[in-house]
Amino acid sequence: AQTVTQSQPEMSVQEAETVTLSCTYDTSESDYYLFWYKQPPSRQMILVIRQEAYKQQNATENRFSVNFQKAAKSFSLKISDSQLGDAAMYFCAYRSPGPSGTYKYIFGTGTRLKVLA
Amino acid sequence: DAMVIQNPRYQVTQFGKPVTLSCSQTLNHNVMYWYQQKSSQAPKLLFHYYDKDFNNEADTPDNFQSRRPNTSFCFLDIRSPGLGDAAMYLCATSRDRGEGKNIQYFGAGTRLSVL
Repeated sequence: AQTVTQSQPEMSVQEAETVTLSCTYDTSESDYYLFWYKQPPSRQMILVIRQEAYKQQNATENRFSVNFQKAAKSFSLKISDSQLGDAAMYFCAYRSPGPSGTYKYIFGTGTRLKVLA
Repeated sequence: DAMVIQNPRYQVTQFGKPVTLSCSQTLNHNVMYWYQQKSSQAPKLLFHYYDKDFNNEADTPDNFQSRRPNTSFCFLDIRSPGLGDAAMYLCATSRDRGEGKNIQYFGAGTRLSVL
């Protein structure tokens, strides 16, 4: 069974600095998607960035980028120029084909990011 | 504007008293999901609907049921809530199943307390 591990329950970063959140996963599949979701306090979870496993190029979305190491099954998120609005719980997720091809998400336990002014 | 709306945001129920949580979407998505998220834990998928087709996860207790009367609405029914069912319940939708169409959009969640 697939698993997703986020080993950092909490991280802090100074405003305008860079922080990296780590995520590792375990799978025997060769084709899959990986995601980072952000869950601000009392607000809905939103997609930050996604990576297709068959693409070697790391995904980038403005200040957010990933370091995808397929052989090591590692998928870290880098946030550059951190802003106060980045403070949230960040979930790493793996998407596997579920029943009827619905692609079940498997989430890590999350990393709470604090941004210090 | 919120696209996946969950009501209420906070729900208190008594031990053993049936409770229903609701989710609506304005995205016209085919797939709707219910997740349970306990404190400091990962969201756990309970079940999902693909259109009217209900798909239960193997380890979802029978105490949890769901209804989807139309495309826009989906309900989570807990028949006899126990103290261990206190959690945040997240609803999510996705356009369809195929590649590129499966990004999930989440509601803000309903936090359930069981007294």
